[in-house]
Amino acid sequence: ETGVTQTPRHLVMGMTNKKSLKCEQHLGHNAMYWYKQSAKKPLELMFVYSLEERVENNSVPSRFSPECPNSSHLFLHLHTLQPEDSALYLCASSRRVWEEQYFGPGTRLTVT
Amino acid sequence: DQQVKQNSPSLSVQEGRISILNCDYTNSMFDYFLWYKKYPAEGPTFLISISSIKDKNEDGRFTVFLNKSAKHLSLHIVPSQPGDSAVYFCAASFTQGGSEKLVFGKGTKLTVNP
Repeated sequence: ETGVTQTPRHLVMGMTNKKSLKCEQHLGHNAMYWYKQSAKKPLELMFVYSLEERVENNSVPSRFSPECPNSSHLFLHLHTLQPEDSALYLCASSRRVWEEQYFGPGTRLTVT
Repeated sequence: DQQVKQNSPSLSVQEGRISILNCDYTNSMFDYFLWYKKYPAEGPTFLISISSIKDKNEDGRFTVFLNKSAKHLSLHIVPSQPGDSAVYFCAASFTQGGSEKLVFGKGTKLTVNP
């Protein structure tokens, strides 16, 4: 058990839907991350939050909108996605930014 | 319990020479290994990876070597350039119960001196 949970674990959505991914960490960490992992591709960093402030945004399309209401919770709001957005979305947390990261199990997203 | 260890927090190399960054892991279930490079104030970017069925993967000046019996991998940069100065993260992953696990090391700061 990593102490980082993600819900839902699997999500199928149409291109016109709006959905949200949720991440929660129980480790008392101050930094949280969203990553995208497409099939047979390396991990891509999407967003980084430190103490609820966004510190990194790696040129992610605006159809992905992060929200960090407190240091324990991180959301990724999705709207008008494309089929190529189908991937595994991983949340991670660390004590401070760029320290060793603990990952959640991921949400397997399929956009139809 | 640190499953991926980069025991050298920093490394300094002269331009044109070889940089060797090391990484050790403890979990024999890891089957895919990655190196990321991170400049200050930027997120890490993928550099090179290797599957556990291989022992070497080369991409330009970057070569990753995997020694499964020793649970050790290394990144070689030849020749090193000042622009290579960055923090390098080793990461290892495996799939368990349908979920992917990815563990990063703490990073090694490489400085290439002109």
